[in-house]
Amino acid sequence: EPEVTQTPSHQVTQMGQEVILRCVPISNHLYFYWYRQILGQKVEFLVSFYNNEISEKSEIFDDQFSVERPDGSNFTLKIRSTKLEDSAMYFCASSPTSGNGDTQYFGPGTRLTVL
Amino acid sequence: AQKITQTQPGMFVQEKEAVTLDCTYDTSDPSYGLFWYKQPSSGEMIFLIYQGSYDQQNATEGRYSLNFQKARKSANLVISASQLGDSAMYFCAMREGESNTGKLIFGQGTTLQVKP
Repeated sequence: EPEVTQTPSHQVTQMGQEVILRCVPISNHLYFYWYRQILGQKVEFLVSFYNNEISEKSEIFDDQFSVERPDGSNFTLKIRSTKLEDSAMYFCASSPTSGNGDTQYFGPGTRLTVL
Repeated sequence: AQKITQTQPGMFVQEKEAVTLDCTYDTSDPSYGLFWYKQPSSGEMIFLIYQGSYDQQNATEGRYSLNFQKARKSANLVISASQLGDSAMYFCAMREGESNTGKLIFGQGTTLQVKP
């Protein structure tokens, strides 16, 4: 069964460094998302992406964040200058566009630790 | 106001018994979707079940069913015949609006522990 994949599974970085989190969505899906989950808290929406542009973003997704689909398969989240409070699990998700109730399928997550 | 409320931080159930995880939601949009996801200790988010606001019948997927009470704005997850592997965090989520591709809003989650 096709699945969303994410790399790396765990990233440790120093405060102020740039990180790029990578995702490969399910191949025939057209909508892509990033969410984050701070340890012990609920999952929060960051951004959605369709047709090579951002569809919607939350107030968390400030100028430090950017997303890109550099080729036909990868979808990346870049954090330009990481802060301690960026430490969280970051989930990529994708969904198709046909039918009702299109489910968002999540990847396994990347745990980002900012020191 | 919270859009999604899960009032049970933790639940216990005996193996092979049924358990209900509560979820209430708040929206003024007539069109919305409700989802349940399972998050085991390994951390991934696993889709379980979906209910659309216009669906006449409660959704079912194997041992999972969704008790959808629209007037009460509740979408409780029922797990029948609990198994030890059901021990996990469970999140209720809502997508508002006509679009099938909008963001998901999650509740705080309920930790379920299945006892042998």
